[in-house]
Amino acid sequence: AQSVTQLGSHVSVSEGALVLLRCNYSSSVPPYLFWYVQYPNQGLQLLLKYTTGATLVKGINGFEAEFKKSETSFHLTKPSAHMSDAAEYFCAVSSLMDTGRRALTFGSGTRLQVQP
Amino acid sequence: EPEVTQTPSHQVTQMGQEVILRCVPISNHLYFYWYRQILGQKVEFLVSFYNNEISEKSEIFDDQFSVERPDGSNFTLKIRSTKLEDSAMYFCASSPSGDEQYFGPGTRLTVT
Repeated sequence: AQSVTQLGSHVSVSEGALVLLRCNYSSSVPPYLFWYVQYPNQGLQLLLKYTTGATLVKGINGFEAEFKKSETSFHLTKPSAHMSDAAEYFCAVSSLMDTGRRALTFGSGTRLQVQP
Repeated sequence: EPEVTQTPSHQVTQMGQEVILRCVPISNHLYFYWYRQILGQKVEFLVSFYNNEISEKSEIFDDQFSVERPDGSNFTLKIRSTKLEDSAMYFCASSPSGDEQYFGPGTRLTVT
């Protein structure tokens, strides 16, 4: 079974401060890992993904995440928060199914607030 | 940039009625998915579809649910007899390769 834990349902940072959203996963096979962002009344937008290769992955809007196998973590960071980053962020792990196709298991989400 | 689209954006139905939620995946994608998010809860996988058949389904996807790709572009989720607990946001997603998935804006289903 696959699972994702996102520590902190709400995170508040000041504009210009470092953003750190935590994600830990559980997987019995090498995982594919994803971060999605959801703005109010919108769908889920893919921020970045890790499949294989380089463990530090860069995404859109200045976000990046590092896959750490020893810590089973995939934390999302951004050096300097912008007001437009306020949204809900979901970490997801991709499960290898019998058919080879992959379904996503999501964490419960972290709502990021950015204070002026 | 191509996007997944979903209609309607909001559907209100009475308990026991049938509803069909519609999705138009990105045109060259081969894998299709439905997820749902009950208010305040996690996004949950319902079903995946590839090569005109269901490739995997979760325990949520029971006999009252069905999916179809009727015309090579639309991808639909049918709920035969809706229950109050079916109220949720339903997301369609598509993927070119079965790895990264691209989501639509969702359909909010309200069962009264």
